[in-house]
Amino acid sequence: EADIYQTPRYLVIGTGKKITLECSQTMGHDKMYWYQQDPGMELHLIHYSYGVNSTEKGDLSSESTVSRIRTEHFPLTLESARPSHTSQYLCASSDPPGHYTDTQYFGPGTRLTVL
Amino acid sequence: KNQVEQSPQSLIILEGKNCTLQCNYTVSPFSNLRWYKQDTGRGPVSLTIMTFSENTKSNGRYTATLDADTKQSSLHITASQLSDSASYICVVVDRGSTLGRLYFGRGTQLTVWP
Repeated sequence: EADIYQTPRYLVIGTGKKITLECSQTMGHDKMYWYQQDPGMELHLIHYSYGVNSTEKGDLSSESTVSRIRTEHFPLTLESARPSHTSQYLCASSDPPGHYTDTQYFGPGTRLTVL
Repeated sequence: KNQVEQSPQSLIILEGKNCTLQCNYTVSPFSNLRWYKQDTGRGPVSLTIMTFSENTKSNGRYTATLDADTKQSSLHITASQLSDSASYICVVVDRGSTLGRLYFGRGTQLTVWP
């Protein structure tokens, strides 16, 4: 079992609220990722980070923002939640033993519902 | 367009039976292919990683095959157990960028009945 944690596991909030989804890992991994996954659909990369003070947008456009002040912590923030943000958010980290074979370790996910 | 297609979309089998899941991809240039298992409400867990030169790799009752020429992979599960019920996701990594871009399939939802 990978040492990567996400809180909260489930969140139901109203439209317009600001929320932060927490992700932390204790493996010292440099690379971290946020994915969005709707039921029965593939994972879509929304943010990633190569290390401290490094953040990049992924393939799927997202109104969320991320920060990477510490290696182990990669929180995702939505300034004003909308029903279209309802989804599962998965955090992952990886540290490559070799350049092209690094394994991504996923957290348990946060199921977000915006009413 | 880089894509990963999985079949079947869902599958129901009886406990103890074998099954094979398919993955076809168009990702290029190819780096490696991974199979993940995702239990309901959980994050995916890696089962196997296969590079270009590997044809077969096993992990317990899971055996993955790769044909890089036809761009096809399969995941064979032997003597299925109830705990095998999950979504199995095929992921292909390209080597065209420093990040190693991951392309995800939509998964095959496997249900094992007693």
